[in-house]
Amino acid sequence: EAAVTQSPRNKVAVTGGKVTLSCNQTNNHNNMYWYRQDTGHGLRLIHYSYGAGSTEKGDIPDGYKASRPSQENFSLILELATPSQTSVYFCASGGLGGQEQYFGPGTRLTVL
Amino acid sequence: GDKVKQSPSALSLQEGTNSALRCNFSIAATTVQWFLQNPRGSLINLFYLVPGTKENGRLKSAFDSKESYSTLHIRDAQLEDSGTYFCAADSGGSNAKLTFGKGTKLSVKS
Repeated sequence: EAAVTQSPRNKVAVTGGKVTLSCNQTNNHNNMYWYRQDTGHGLRLIHYSYGAGSTEKGDIPDGYKASRPSQENFSLILELATPSQTSVYFCASGGLGGQEQYFGPGTRLTVL
Repeated sequence: GDKVKQSPSALSLQEGTNSALRCNFSIAATTVQWFLQNPRGSLINLFYLVPGTKENGRLKSAFDSKESYSTLHIRDAQLEDSGTYFCAADSGGSNAKLTFGKGTKLSVKS
């Protein structure tokens, strides 16, 4: 069974603060993804990665950075958090193009 | 407009009845995934489809890439089927980016 874990599961941050969301996968998948989920929008892609050292912009990258230091780990970084970034964030991993994606349990972020 | 359009947006079913959910694509989808988001918020993989059909228990899904749509059929709906169903399309390439629909919220009542 695919295994994707996220930490923290819940986070409250202050406006202007730095937030780092972490994701770990044990599937040995090349690709990893960060999405956010907001009511009325479904899931939207923020950043993704093809492998260690690579990060690519998704559909809504503004205000976010990503880091992929290893095959297993993919982080999402909010350098200056804003209330509009309050959301639920999902990490996913998947094989090469066209293969199934597996999602982590999500991180609920509230920026006050 | 929406690249992946799901219908209906919400649905209420009586236990034991059948229904169908649909996704229409305005992108050239090569594969489709269906997920159930349960009341705890977890995304559960239901189907991964290339053009064709798959069946798993009371669920059956089809993907027609030429007509740009996918369907998810639920037979004999149970209370535990309640949640939000998402379809997501991949338009190919090595990055395998998924584009999600906005979901169908299903409530099954006894």
